[in-house]
Amino acid sequence: GAVVSQHPSRVICKSGTSVKIECRSLDFQATTMFWYRQFPKQSLMLMATSNEGSKATYEQGVEKDKFLINHASLTLSTLTVTSAHPEDSSFYICSARDGTSGEETQYFGPGTRLLVL
Amino acid sequence: QKEVEQNSGPLSVPEGAIASLNCTYSDRGSQSFFWYRQYSGKSPELIMFIYSNGDKEDGRFTAQLNKASQYVSLLIRDSQPSDSATYLCAAPTGRRALTFGSGTRLQVQP
Repeated sequence: GAVVSQHPSRVICKSGTSVKIECRSLDFQATTMFWYRQFPKQSLMLMATSNEGSKATYEQGVEKDKFLINHASLTLSTLTVTSAHPEDSSFYICSARDGTSGEETQYFGPGTRLLVL
Repeated sequence: QKEVEQNSGPLSVPEGAIASLNCTYSDRGSQSFFWYRQYSGKSPELIMFIYSNGDKEDGRFTAQLNKASQYVSLLIRDSQPSDSATYLCAAPTGRRALTFGSGTRLQVQP
């Protein structure tokens, strides 16, 4: 199956700082990447859809100025949590869809666990 | 009404038994359905997907789709303790993102 990587896997930061998370598709071109957030014992919640070369589409209730998404290439999307606060502590997971396959299958990265002190 | 619904469980089955996980969806236009497995603290991993009515088998896993009744299920034969995880059903939305159910926690008792 297709491989998606995320970096870092875990980050601890102070309140007010910004954190950047990278999502890479390693063996396929991802025209579309998705960013999810998962709080403990809850389901995945879609934050935004990231399309290569265009602005991300954010879900209702997700602040686009706080969660900056850049999808500059077909293999890389980044999520920056700006001015992070303790309530932003969560498990952030990206997924990528193979744009050449015509399939809807999404492959997930291993996730990034963010802890804001 | 949630777009994709699952019973949260836990569903407990003895080792070697068949585990049956169910999912219903509200959008009759949905064409494809995905089953992911998520271990605690890990990200989801794809088990299988199904597009057509009927059964699709892959090893110990069988996905079943009934579009008329708007439900999709996952059967796990010869359940193993290592199958203990949360199983997520998902269907694409209009923007091609996946909408996930809340997941069913499966416990396979040794």
